[in-house]
Amino acid sequence: KAGVTQTPRYLIKTRGQQVTLSCSPISGHRSVSWYQQTPGQGLQFLFEYFSETQRNKGNFPGRFSGRQFSNSRSEMNVSTLELGDSALYLCASSWRDRVYEQFFGPGTRLTVL
Amino acid sequence: GQQLNQSPQSMFIQEGEDVSMNCTSSSIFNTWLWYKQDPGEGPVLLIALYKAGELTSNGRLTAQFGITRKDSFLNISASIPSDVGIYFCAGQRLNYGGATNKLIFGTGTLLAVQP
Repeated sequence: KAGVTQTPRYLIKTRGQQVTLSCSPISGHRSVSWYQQTPGQGLQFLFEYFSETQRNKGNFPGRFSGRQFSNSRSEMNVSTLELGDSALYLCASSWRDRVYEQFFGPGTRLTVL
Repeated sequence: GQQLNQSPQSMFIQEGEDVSMNCTSSSIFNTWLWYKQDPGEGPVLLIALYKAGELTSNGRLTAQFGITRKDSFLNISASIPSDVGIYFCAGQRLNYGGATNKLIFGTGTLLAVQP
C-alpha cells in the first residue's frame, strides 16, 4: 500500500506570496492532519480534517488554511508569506478520527526569502 | 507552541549499548506514540500505547505508558548504526468536545550511534 504523499517536496517563495501544499493520504484513510516543524518550535499541530470537515485547529494565524476533498486528499494554503513560515510542513493520515496511529508523509520543505 | 518535555536532548553512544529516553507532561494523555525521524523525512511510527501501565515491544524497541498517564518511556536495546535519528514522543488527549487526532509532540531526542 502506498504511503502518504506530499507535493511539492521543496518550495521557495518570497515574502508576501501565497503557497498551496498538497497531501494524498494512504488509500482508505479519511483523516488528514497537518503539522509545521521548525527548529525553534518543533512539531506543531495546524489542523485536522475528516470527511471534508475541519475537526480541530491549532494556534496559527488565519493566514493558514486548509481543506479536504471528497477523495480525502487535502491541501493547505498559506497566504501573505512571512520569513517565519519557513518550515517543514508534514501531513499525516489515519483511517478515521480518534484513531491515534497517524502515518506521516515526507513533508514539504518551504523556504521563504 | 505546546510541546512535551523529552529527555535527554541528545545521546552519543557506542554500537551495542542500550538506550533509554523519556517524555513527561503536566497533563494526562490517553495515548502515547513514539516516532523516529530521519533527516529530510517525515516521522515514522514506532510504537503506540493506549493504556496506563502498558508495556509494548517492537523488535529491539520497548515503550511504556506511565501509570500516572503523564509520562512515557522508550528503550532501545543493542543499538545499531541505523538507529541514528531523532526520536519523538507524542501524546494525544481525549477531546470531550468532539473527536480529534491532534498530537502534541515532545522536543525530540537526537541519537547518534558510533560503530
